Amino acid sequence: DSGVTQTPKHLITATGQRVTLRCSPRSGDLSVYWYQQSLDQGLQFLIQYYNGEERAKGNILERFSAQQFPDLHSELNLSSLELGDSALYFCASTGHRGRDYGYTFGSGTRLTVV
Amino acid sequence: GQQLNQSPQSMFIQEGEDVSMNCTSSSIFNTWLWYKQEPGEGPVLLIALYKAGELTSNGRLTAQFGITRKDSFLNISASIPSDVGIYFCAGSTTRTGTASKLTFGTGTRLQVTL
Repeated sequence: DSGVTQTPKHLITATGQRVTLRCSPRSGDLSVYWYQQSLDQGLQFLIQYYNGEERAKGNILERFSAQQFPDLHSELNLSSLELGDSALYFCASTGHRGRDYGYTFGSGTRLTVV
Repeated sequence: GQQLNQSPQSMFIQEGEDVSMNCTSSSIFNTWLWYKQEPGEGPVLLIALYKAGELTSNGRLTAQFGITRKDSFLNISASIPSDVGIYFCAGSTTRTGTASKLTFGTGTRLQVTL
């Protein structure tokens, strides 16, 4: 158990629908990152939140949005889903502990759009 | 989005053999990380490198931060069946203690036969 919890583990939904993925960071970590991994690909950075504020944005589609709540958990909202949105979505959290990079990933949510 | 070039794309080796893989970038990174991903799981950090020319070991794994800061190498000695998985390099433009988004490589899929 990495300490980063993602739910649900699997999600199957139809095109045009909206889903919410949830991430609870490791205890004490203030930063949360969202990554997308398509089939047999590396991970693509989507967005970062630090202590409730958006810190950095990557290749995140306008149909996608995220937020981080006061208890530091984060949600990634995906709307108007398309077949190409099928992928693994990972959340990672980090602390700021000097040389301990502390970049810890959750087990991911596998999204299948049919 | 940007991905780092990682090679080889896949490797089939016999138990006991040594493995080498590398990662190259067109731009400079200040931190290089190596991750291993197993099916159904998120990436797990193996080695972190913070300084150009640095050579760091973690058991049978050794990684080097290229002197140009545009590449990194991972070696696995005396491979065993549990080494099977996908190995990803990742780079960050920030230095020690300041986490930021990671740019991932395309991955090297390692298969170990008995």
